[in-house]
Order: sequence, then C-alpha cells, then structure tokens
Amino acid sequence: AQSVTQPDIHITVSEGASLELRCNYSYGATPYLFWYVQSPGQGLQLLLKYFSGDTLVQGIKGFEAEFKRSQSSFNLRKPSVHWSDAAEYFCAVGDRDGNKLVFGAGTILRVKS
Amino acid sequence: EAGVVQSPRYKIIEKKQPVAFWCNPISGHNTLYWYRQNLGQGPELLIRYENEEAVDDSQLPKDRFSAERLKGVDSTLKIQPAELGDSAVYLCASSPSDGRYYEQYFGPGTRLTVT
Repeated sequence: AQSVTQPDIHITVSEGASLELRCNYSYGATPYLFWYVQSPGQGLQLLLKYFSGDTLVQGIKGFEAEFKRSQSSFNLRKPSVHWSDAAEYFCAVGDRDGNKLVFGAGTILRVKS
Repeated sequence: EAGVVQSPRYKIIEKKQPVAFWCNPISGHNTLYWYRQNLGQGPELLIRYENEEAVDDSQLPKDRFSAERLKGVDSTLKIQPAELGDSAVYLCASSPSDGRYYEQYFGPGTRLTVT
C-alpha cells in the first residue's frame, strides 16, 4: 500500500535560514508527489507537485522540492525562511488506482526571530 | 471564485450526541472528498463522491458515520452517536471531474470536540 513518511514532527529554524523538510514515500509505480501547507485554522494549500520530467520543481512562496527516485524521497526546501512560513507541512503521494491522496503525518515548522 | 465552504467551523458536543457537517464545493467540481484529520496526523480519506455517487467509502465507519450528496453539489457528513475518539478536524475538498483527483482544493475544516 502507498505510504508517506515525514520523519520530523517538529522543526525550528531561524528567520532567514534555509529549510529542508524530509519526505519519503512508498509507491509501486512512478509517483505523483505533492507538498501542502496548513496554517492554523486553515485548510490545506498546495505548494507544489511533481508528476514527471524535471526532478526539481518550483512552487509558490519560494518553495522547491526535489524528487529522488533512488532514495524514494521528495524533500521540500526554501533558501530563506520568513516568519510567515510557520505552519504545518504535509507531503502526499497520489494513488492513481484509488484516485486519492495519501498524506504523511506532517511536520510543524516553527520560525524563531 | 469562492473556495470550498464548510460549516460549522467549530463544534463541541457530548458523547452519544449526533452531529452534522456541511460542505459546499467549488462550483463545477463534481468530485467531493471528506477527510478526517486527527491531532498530529495527516488527513485520511473517509469518502469520495463523483456527483451524487459515493465511489469510495471503504474508510467510512458505517456503523455511526453517514454521508450524502443528494443533488451532486453540497454534501453533509453525519456522526450518530459521536464517541470521544471522533474528536478531530473534518475536512472537505473538491476537484474537477476530469480525473484530476490530485488537484484538490480544501475547505477550512470543522473542528469537532466530543466531551
């Protein structure tokens, strides 16, 4: 069965520092991969997605992610974090057979000034 | 364009009471999803509708949960009776009807607390 692992429950970074959130997936075929962000009291917002082609994908708000098939990873990065980036981030894999998304448990990002 | 609308935003009930959540998807989106998000977890799919048909309800606890989407637009998710373990955020999402299940737009959710 498809699954997503986000190893870090919480991450704290200083404002202006770089960020990397880890995501590992399990999927039998070429995966569709996604990163969502959820601010407190808000729904999930899509940051970026990977379907095929260039393994480095750009998203909104200055985020990018790199698909590495050999490591079954899809890590999210940002070169310089802003205080407004504090939120919870979810990695997801698309289950094409089930026409659904399977989410990881999320990583809470805290930004310190 | 209005996003996915959910109400209420918060609900506190005592165990064994019934509760209902309402969702209005983005106009033109024929696919509607209900997810449950437990504290510290990612969303988990409860049920997926294509128009008024529930095409995947395998994760819906049918002994106490029910859902409907009678006219293929808005939808209601019901729990009767609620249990303490039902405390969670219930998210509704919608996507276009052309197979783009991965293009989901989420509402703000309903936070349910069962006491």
